[in-house]
Amino acid sequence: GAGVSQSPSNKVTEKGKDVELRCDPISGHTALYWYRQSLGQGLEFLIYFQGNSAPDKSGLPSDRFSAERTGGSVSTLTIQRTQQEDSAVYLCASSFLNEKLFFGSGTQLSVL
Amino acid sequence: GESVGLHLPTLSVQEGDNSIINCAYSNSASDYFIWYKQESGKGPQFIIDIRSNMDKRQGQRVTVLLNKTVKHLSLQIAATQPGDSAVYFCAESPGRRALTFGSGTRLQVQP
Repeated sequence: GAGVSQSPSNKVTEKGKDVELRCDPISGHTALYWYRQSLGQGLEFLIYFQGNSAPDKSGLPSDRFSAERTGGSVSTLTIQRTQQEDSAVYLCASSFLNEKLFFGSGTQLSVL
Repeated sequence: GESVGLHLPTLSVQEGDNSIINCAYSNSASDYFIWYKQESGKGPQFIIDIRSNMDKRQGQRVTVLLNKTVKHLSLQIAATQPGDSAVYFCAESPGRRALTFGSGTRLQVQP
């Protein structure tokens, strides 16, 4: 596609529910990243996929967070048993060979 | 762990002036640096990048300077325009690992 696409753009959920966030990277990009951005804050690294290598999960804040990338393209970030502190904008980015990340517009997650 | 940080959280400049946004990094293994611009409600947009084998790189109205001796990165914007108002993030990466972002500087351009 022309750019990184994320869905949904907004998600409101109740505490304790599971949510899935989707990312469609730019076609041909080998690397895919998930970052989290709280209001007025910087970007917190969550997870990174590069080709067929094992993902770098070092940024995931707890075992409630997981992500997968199917067929080297689309990625889904899953948050189980959501908590209020999970409320943030979740940004996906893709790149070719880990340079010049191109970001999507993000998913605004609100946990009530 | 090592991190990237910024000296000034908010920078206010007059339209037409030059802007300088500074960033300190602490990971001596970082060999790739990048600046992003983020407008309200949007994802970060790439501005300019630089590798550690360079000291300076210029783009359209923007220049990035890298001082490896003091681990300092700066973004210079010439003839700042109202459309340049945004939050600017620096980021660094050691050896093709995931980028680590700083906390951001808000640039406000006064007409």
